[in-house]
Amino acid sequence: DVKVTQSSRYLVKRTGEKVFLECVQDMDHENMFWYRQDPGLGLRLIYFSYDVKMKEKGDIPEGYSVSREKKERFSLILESASTNQTSMYLCASSLFYSRSSYNEQFFGPGTRLTVL
Amino acid sequence: AQTVTQSQPEMSVQEAETVTLSCTYDTSESDYYLFWYKQPPSRQMILVIRQEAYKQQNATENRFSVNFQKAAKSFSLKISDSQLGDAAMYFCAYRSAFGAGSYQLTFGKGTKLSVIP
Repeated sequence: DVKVTQSSRYLVKRTGEKVFLECVQDMDHENMFWYRQDPGLGLRLIYFSYDVKMKEKGDIPEGYSVSREKKERFSLILESASTNQTSMYLCASSLFYSRSSYNEQFFGPGTRLTVL
Repeated sequence: AQTVTQSQPEMSVQEAETVTLSCTYDTSESDYYLFWYKQPPSRQMILVIRQEAYKQQNATENRFSVNFQKAAKSFSLKISDSQLGDAAMYFCAYRSAFGAGSYQLTFGKGTKLSVIP
């Protein structure tokens, strides 16, 4: 089974702090994703990566950056956390689409981030 | 851009009964994939069922089945013999088959399903 893990389940930070959220997958997936989940808004894509050192902006990249130095690891960075970034953050991974027609995404357990 | 609409923010079903969650989507593409994901309270999101647009046969996974109406752009999820463990948020998602959109999923806003004992 695919396993996607995230470094923390719960995180509390202060406004202005730099925040790192880490995600690791163990199935050699090429694609990795960071989503933000808010009540009534569903999941919104922040960034995704289809290869090491490659990244693409999603729908809401403002205020975030990402890093992918190794295939299995994808980090989300909040350079200067703000209260409106309080949310649930979900990481996901999938095979490159040519290797799997469905290319379904496998999700981590999520990190609930609170910015005070 | 594609959009996915789940018109029922919340639903409830009696244990052992059948419930249908609705999902519609807007696209100009003819080839794409559709998914239903389940997110139990405080637990990981998992894939429930998936459907390829060019397959006319509706997908089925045990108690879960879909009613895929391509012309109507509708992709509803039917849960038969509902169990307490089915209580969760359910998300409908769309993925393009080709191009830049093939990398990412577009999600609906979710339907919270409660199961009444």
